[in-house]
Amino acid sequence: EAGVAQSPRYKIIEKRQSVAFWCNPISGHATLYWYQQILGQGPKLLIQFQNNGVVDDSQLPKDRFSAERLKGVDSTLKIQPAKLEDSAVYLCASSPGTGTRYEQYFGPGTRLTVT
Amino acid sequence: ILNVEQSPQSLHVQEGDSTNFTCSFPSSNFYALHWYRWETAKSPEALFVMTLNGDEKKKGRISATLNTKEGYSYLYIKGSQPEDSATYLCAFGGGSQGNLIFGKGTKLSVKP
Repeated sequence: EAGVAQSPRYKIIEKRQSVAFWCNPISGHATLYWYQQILGQGPKLLIQFQNNGVVDDSQLPKDRFSAERLKGVDSTLKIQPAKLEDSAVYLCASSPGTGTRYEQYFGPGTRLTVT
Repeated sequence: ILNVEQSPQSLHVQEGDSTNFTCSFPSSNFYALHWYRWETAKSPEALFVMTLNGDEKKKGRISATLNTKEGYSYLYIKGSQPEDSATYLCAFGGGSQGNLIFGKGTKLSVKP
């Protein structure tokens, strides 16, 4: 079974530039998550999708971050414009169902550096 | 604000040592407790999902226990090996449909 794919693995941009990350979840997994992990902190949920609908985006800074999951499969997370404090690892995860008892399967993450 | 605490923050042990870490979480509204292992440059990997008070789970040399009444879980590694070097994350699920709240992790380094 193929795992969760993410690209790019690394990205360096200047502040005020835009950046987009891509995620392909495990086939058949209805739920997709984007997390932000700042150095020294635990992963923080940004947005959760169930199929192509948003379940929770309460911690997504909507003035600069956006995410979509067209057709309920792949997902894209965008930052526009980036700030220095957006430097972090962005993790995508998927699970076969929605709920805290489901194991989450993570991708390798995208390490973003904003200079 | 829900708080999930992990201790210690980091740990350095010799190959063959046994070790354990702690995850503390709110004792109310418990629904699930997850443990993940995250090796450098790899994907976080699920170790255990625990749901019942008193649960004990084991995978090879790694085991975990759960006490939901007092709000803690222990992760044990018996006979640590260099390949166990990783950050170990716990995550608390405080409701069936809520999201997971992660701790900051315990970084384990095992010296050959």
